Amino acid sequence: GDSVTQMEGPVTLSEEAFLTINCTYTATGYPSLFWYVQYPGEGLQLLLKATKADDKGSNKGFEATYRKETTSFHLEKGSVQVSDSAVYFCALSAGGGADGLTFGKGTHLIIQP
Amino acid sequence: DARVTQTPRDKVTEMGQEVTMRCQPILGHNTVFWYRQTMMQGLELLAYFRNRAPLDDSGMPKDRFSAEMPDATLATLKIQPSEPRDSAVYFCASGLGTSGSYEQFFGPGTRLTVL
Repeated sequence: GDSVTQMEGPVTLSEEAFLTINCTYTATGYPSLFWYVQYPGEGLQLLLKATKADDKGSNKGFEATYRKETTSFHLEKGSVQVSDSAVYFCALSAGGGADGLTFGKGTHLIIQP
Repeated sequence: DARVTQTPRDKVTEMGQEVTMRCQPILGHNTVFWYRQTMMQGLELLAYFRNRAPLDDSGMPKDRFSAEMPDATLATLKIQPSEPRDSAVYFCASGLGTSGSYEQFFGPGTRLTVL
């Protein structure tokens, strides 16, 4: 079946550091890929998405590129802020009428001032 | 600001009791999902509906869990009887399903503790 693998952390960085959170996936067909973010005590919010190979999703300074050849969708940000501290989930939707999301385990990101 | 709402936010119950969780999707959204989040398994899809019809409930333990949409503004997830292993955070999400790439909007979750 479909699966998503991501580093679980916690990942601790200093403010203004460069961020990379790795995400790889296994899926048949052509999935859509997502990054969701969860702040403490809240539900998940969509951060960005990409629907086909070589698409780049971007939002709030975060970026991720859909790499079909390496089955990856790594999340990057050039300069993190304390307010970016949260849990980040990589996810895929298989498409073809299967709309449910398959999530990675989540990466807890801690940004220190 | 349209949001998915869930009630209750927290529920503590004893093993064997019935638990009902409710979700109000965003008005106009035609697809509703139930997910469960645990430390061990992470986030798992339990079931989802389109236009109130169940499309997939393969992630749900059939013997004790049931999910329904009595109308377009209400989705329910029921556990009867509840067991300690059902302790988790249950999220409802809704979206306007036209293709697999649409955004799902999540509610704040119901934290269930079964003693």
